[in-house]
Amino acid sequence: QVQLQESGPGLVKPSQTLSLTCTVSGGSISSGGYYWSWIRQHPGKGLEWIGYIYYSGSTYYNPSLKSRVTISVDTSKNQFSLKLSSVTAADTAVYYCARVNPDFESDWFDPWGQGTLVTVSS
Amino acid sequence: SSELTQDPAVSVALGQTVRITCQGDSLRSYYASWYQQKPGQAPVLVIYGKNNRPSGIPDRFSGSSSGNTASLTITGAQAEDEADYYCNSRDSSGNHLIFGTGTKVTVL
Repeated sequence: QVQLQESGPGLVKPSQTLSLTCTVSGGSISSGGYYWSWIRQHPGKGLEWIGYIYYSGSTYYNPSLKSRVTISVDTSKNQFSLKLSSVTAADTAVYYCARVNPDFESDWFDPWGQGTLVTVSS
Repeated sequence: SSELTQDPAVSVALGQTVRITCQGDSLRSYYASWYQQKPGQAPVLVIYGKNNRPSGIPDRFSGSSSGNTASLTITGAQAEDEADYYCNSRDSSGNHLIFGTGTKVTVL
């Protein structure tokens, strides 16, 4: 079955750019039919959708993060990536990648990666 | 509105039934999906679409919807069902995804 795995630095300095990669195994991003998404969870808080990308490169972002977020896809490596610029301590969170299953009346995230904690600190 | 509101916490006696609700304007147009999250773990999908369970999810989990409210019902709650539960749907624009505020379920 499809599995997702996040990777990237666990510590980022304030004002720098957070960069994470999600590697997909057991299925091909370029086969289409799904969106590929990033979600984060601040410590002890709820889930926040960051954005998603289609294999063609089409993207949608959370309006509250749109000015700082870039999601890209590399179909040759079966990976998609997140860049979040100008980070502050408020961006400290567990970051998850997940596949979005779109339907006319519903969307659902499944499967999810295990998540990776990113701490913003000098 | 682009928000999904859930009760912060509910409790249920072992073996009894608990319903978790999710309210939002977008739920008049879209079904909610539901996720279970245990401490230190990634969320797990438990209900999607009108009322569908992924493989491996017990049939004590069910979903329903009415007006601007979606519900997740656990019939015969087990100790292992103690977790945080989140709903998700699209916002009113249809282009963005949103999560509910989350409900902590305690099994007594």
